Amino acid sequence: GEDVEQSLFLSVREGDSSVINCTYTDSSSTYLYWYKQEPGAGLQLLTYIFSNMDMKQDQRLTVLLNKKDKHLSLRIADTQTGDSAIYFCAESGGMEYGNKLVFGAGTILRVKS
Amino acid sequence: GAVVSQHPSWVICKSGTSVKIECRSLDFQATTMFWYRQFPKQSLMLMATSNEGSKATYEQGVEKDKFLINHASLTLSTLTVTSAHPEDSSFYICSARVSGGNGYTFGSGTRLTVV
Repeated sequence: GEDVEQSLFLSVREGDSSVINCTYTDSSSTYLYWYKQEPGAGLQLLTYIFSNMDMKQDQRLTVLLNKKDKHLSLRIADTQTGDSAIYFCAESGGMEYGNKLVFGAGTILRVKS
Repeated sequence: GAVVSQHPSWVICKSGTSVKIECRSLDFQATTMFWYRQFPKQSLMLMATSNEGSKATYEQGVEKDKFLINHASLTLSTLTVTSAHPEDSSFYICSARVSGGNGYTFGSGTRLTVV
């Protein structure tokens, strides 16, 4: 079945850039997502990328996709203490796979002031 | 934007009782909703896909008689945890795919504690 893996923990200083990495196994993934979860809360969609793209930038967020290596990354520029949260990458195969999302285990981002 | 409202946000119940969790799409119609379970410091595990007007599709290993899902309208899906046990204590989150868009919107989650 599909599998999504992420590094579990990342610690950065305020103002530095954060890079969170993710690998996936399903070559038929059509969309890949990054979600943010703060303690005790639901998931907030940060950004997504279509599988035929290799980069997407949205303000402080940059997503890079290497489809050949099935590697996805999320770069947060000028990381702030409010960015401390758990970040999940997720992949979806689209309608033919029931629009299901498969999540990674999540990366805990800790931002030190 | 598309909003999914989930209630209650937390509930404490006694072993053996049943608990109902509601998930409503506020400004859009959701023919399909997804129910996830999240253990502390772990990822979201898909439990079932809720389809409006038809039976839910459960993932392997999820007891359909224990986790009853009803999706009677285009804006409401409910998950009932029947005869709850302490091991059912978890964080439950619902989600709906936003039609015409490429994202999934999530409820705020329900923290269930069974004592």
